[in-house]
Amino acid sequence: QQQVKQSPQSLIVQKGGISIINCAYENTAFDYFPWYQQFPGKGPALLIAIRPDVSEKKEGRFTISFNKSAKQFSLHIMDSQPGDSATYFCAASLTNYGQNFVFGPGTRLSVLP
Amino acid sequence: GAVVSQHPSWVICKSGTSVKIECRSLDFQATTMFWYRQFPKQSLMLMATSNEGSKATYEQGVEKDKFLINHASLTLSTLTVTSAHPEDSSFYICSVGGTVPYEQYFGPGTRLTVT
Repeated sequence: QQQVKQSPQSLIVQKGGISIINCAYENTAFDYFPWYQQFPGKGPALLIAIRPDVSEKKEGRFTISFNKSAKQFSLHIMDSQPGDSATYFCAASLTNYGQNFVFGPGTRLSVLP
Repeated sequence: GAVVSQHPSWVICKSGTSVKIECRSLDFQATTMFWYRQFPKQSLMLMATSNEGSKATYEQGVEKDKFLINHASLTLSTLTVTSAHPEDSSFYICSVGGTVPYEQYFGPGTRLTVT
């Protein structure tokens, strides 16, 4: 119930292409869904986040799509750049836990020049 | 967001020794601090949560006597790995949170190698 599933495990995209990473959860009590970007040897950095009362959120080239009925959410990276090559983690949190996040297993994105 | 530092960034120690990792919140009053462990090519696993001045709450399966956490102030938390073994080799990441729900900022991580 506390798991967050994430796919694909790895992704290779050409420069300028669209990168899509999908996540799914079981616990309907989750009410906050952030995406984190992590470069090798560095800590994760918040990229974008969404609450379940919104179906889509866009910040620059990054968009989260949220499907509450399917319990799925996805990250879309438009016009992918080599500098986007990193590991991306989706996560979920419960209101009463506030900041306790359950992380997905991660997706390693490689954007080819 | 908050600036979080960790020291050291990389440490090698011999099996059986103890090592201390510091996590500092440089510009943020961290009422809550979190410690995560990340094995190579794996996700972050929460080890423990600590509130300033209180004992840490450990996740199931994490030995509290082996991983000692001290959250002495709103800007400093330490993780001490006692009697380290090679299987404790991992990337340890701290994060800090304040009074705003879901607000969490991660440190750069500390790579521990136990030989």
